[in-house]
Amino acid sequence: DIQMTQSPASLSASLGETVTIQCRASEDIYSGLAWYQQKPGKSPQLLIYGASSLQDGVPSRFSGSGSGTQYSLKISSMQTEDEGVYFCQQGLKYPYTFGAGTKLELK
Amino acid sequence: QVQLKESGPGLVQPSQTLSLTCTVSGFSLTSYNVHWVRQPPGKGLEWMGRMRYNGDTSYNSALKSRLSISRDTSKNQVFLKMNSLQTDDTGTYYCTRDRLPYNNWDNWFAYWGQGTLVTVSS
Repeated sequence: DIQMTQSPASLSASLGETVTIQCRASEDIYSGLAWYQQKPGKSPQLLIYGASSLQDGVPSRFSGSGSGTQYSLKISSMQTEDEGVYFCQQGLKYPYTFGAGTKLELK
Repeated sequence: QVQLKESGPGLVQPSQTLSLTCTVSGFSLTSYNVHWVRQPPGKGLEWMGRMRYNGDTSYNSALKSRLSISRDTSKNQVFLKMNSLQTDDTGTYYCTRDRLPYNNWDNWFAYWGQGTLVTVSS
């Protein structure tokens, strides 16, 4: 199975701050990566797919980049509503696997 | 609009079989893939398996011996059955839908149900 390693496990950011979350795959996943946001008690929400494509309705302050085994999610200006847990997911090979999550809090 | 809703027993005894139903609306099961994903309390997400738009199924090899996914297109329902449940099967079970129809490569989960909490305990 492809292992997905996220860092950091948690972080706190001030309003307006730029936030970056990293995700590393155990092998090349050829941009087959998605990012999800999950708020407490809610289902995950797709933010980014194909490493860098923004899902419909997602604010443009979210962006994704990367290739090969290294990927990142950037929030250009932290907002209150961005608090939550962020997961990366590889969609290249069965079984589709997720990172352990990064908990983002407002400082 | 697109909706998915999971239903099933909240409590299952160890060694018993879990049966869950995902009822969908706003799209056709013969056009979109539907997946099952689970999440232990306070932990990460695990992909369990997929019902493809053409009726084919794929399973996580870690669960394959215990897991079965089926569907009834006339009722817009996808079913999950997993046997020999243990306490570490406790968690929230979600059904999700792919982003695109007739999808063979775009493996992203664009729509999610609210999830159903399953507790395995005697």
